[in-house]
Amino acid sequence: DAMVIQNPRYQVTQFGKPVTLSCSQTLNHNVMYWYQQKSSQAPKLLFHYYDKDFNNEADTPDNFQSRRPNTSFCFLDIRSPGLGDAAMYLCATRGGRSAAGVETQYFGPGTRLLVL
Amino acid sequence: GQQLNQSPQSMFIQEGEDVSMNCTSSSIFNTWLWYKQDPGEGPVLLIALYKAGELTSNGRLTAQFGITRKDSFLNISASIPSDVGIYFCAGQLVGSGNTGKLIFGQGTTLQVKP
Repeated sequence: DAMVIQNPRYQVTQFGKPVTLSCSQTLNHNVMYWYQQKSSQAPKLLFHYYDKDFNNEADTPDNFQSRRPNTSFCFLDIRSPGLGDAAMYLCATRGGRSAAGVETQYFGPGTRLLVL
Repeated sequence: GQQLNQSPQSMFIQEGEDVSMNCTSSSIFNTWLWYKQDPGEGPVLLIALYKAGELTSNGRLTAQFGITRKDSFLNISASIPSDVGIYFCAGQLVGSGNTGKLIFGQGTTLQVKP
């Protein structure tokens, strides 16, 4: 069963037209992350929520915003997408302590954004 | 900033061969994770390592947390075509607190010839 769900899997938007990407989780994890991944590169962290506390990475552009209305859902809003924002956007959650007492990060399948 | 150096960058091997890849850093980590990413999909966790010196297996995969806490390797034995993909190491730095923020390696692209 899917644990981290991202919809849609593919999103096409126009240059400058706001777009929202969605993530939901069935794991009841308290931490959720948004990453941007461009072709052949590692995922790049944009921001994360620890419960309702929002934590922005220093180099994340203001064009990117996020909302987390409840534990299960988190949204990525791109206010004015540019051509350079075309990428795979990955949502991840963290929780579920292992026997060692350390939490592990789990990724969703991603949403591929195309900007025309 | 902190970096993970992952090598090799790419590998092209024959089916049945063993594969080894590693990540090194000048920083100390308290967690090492190995992920596999297929084209158009999100990374899937393969192995998680939490203690220095820890050696963990998952089927044909074996990974170790280096004793210095600055490196980790992943081995794949008897490779098969479905092993094709990009493998990422990721580590959580000591002192990163509750954020769980991961530092990623650059990835190793594996291709397997049947």
